[in-house]
Amino acid sequence: KNEVEQSPQNLTAQEGEFITINCSYSVGISALHWLQQHPGGGIVSLFMLSSGKKKHGRLIATINIQEKHSSLHITASHPRDSAVYICAVTAFQGAQKLVFGQGTRLTINP
Amino acid sequence: ETGVTQSPTHLIKTRGQQVTLRCSSQSGHNTVSWYQQALGQGPQFIFQYYREEENGRGNFPPRFSGLQFPNYSSELNVNALELDDSALYLCASSPTAMNTEAFFGQGTRLTVV
Repeated sequence: KNEVEQSPQNLTAQEGEFITINCSYSVGISALHWLQQHPGGGIVSLFMLSSGKKKHGRLIATINIQEKHSSLHITASHPRDSAVYICAVTAFQGAQKLVFGQGTRLTINP
Repeated sequence: ETGVTQSPTHLIKTRGQQVTLRCSSQSGHNTVSWYQQALGQGPQFIFQYYREEENGRGNFPPRFSGLQFPNYSSELNVNALELDDSALYLCASSPTAMNTEAFFGQGTRLTVV
């Protein structure tokens, strides 16, 4: 079992729909990150959370430390939101390395 | 723009060869981590360097090695390339060893034939 699990693995939706991507983790963490990866590979950090909720434009990220669960929400989705969304945690495992989920491939159709 | 630059962006090598990938971090970022991302998978931790010393290592063989330089640049070296080494290699820099904030490069896509 992976230390960071995301669901769903693939998600296709219509423009304007509300999107939720979930992340569960099984290790002790100091922070959780939501990342966006477009074709070609480059990764952009969207959020870093250690508690509560953060909002940036149409993106909202929440974390429940007790339940070891985080969600990324996209409101009024748009085709340009199509990308792979990756959940990663900063884990207490020797070096403060990032442990990544497998990613969720999101496709927003016009 | 993250301020982290990797080179080259794409590379094709033959099995058995050696390769050096480079990463230029933001000024002041003392920590750099390298990750391997196979197609369709999440990135896997290779190792981390903090102030030019290896500060942690994932489950990768010794033929994966690294260097970090005082000018905030770093290298990932892979010897005796295998076909399974084909992947996207990402570096991420952080201002501290706690990695609570990470800035990613765009990656180097390595193909081993």
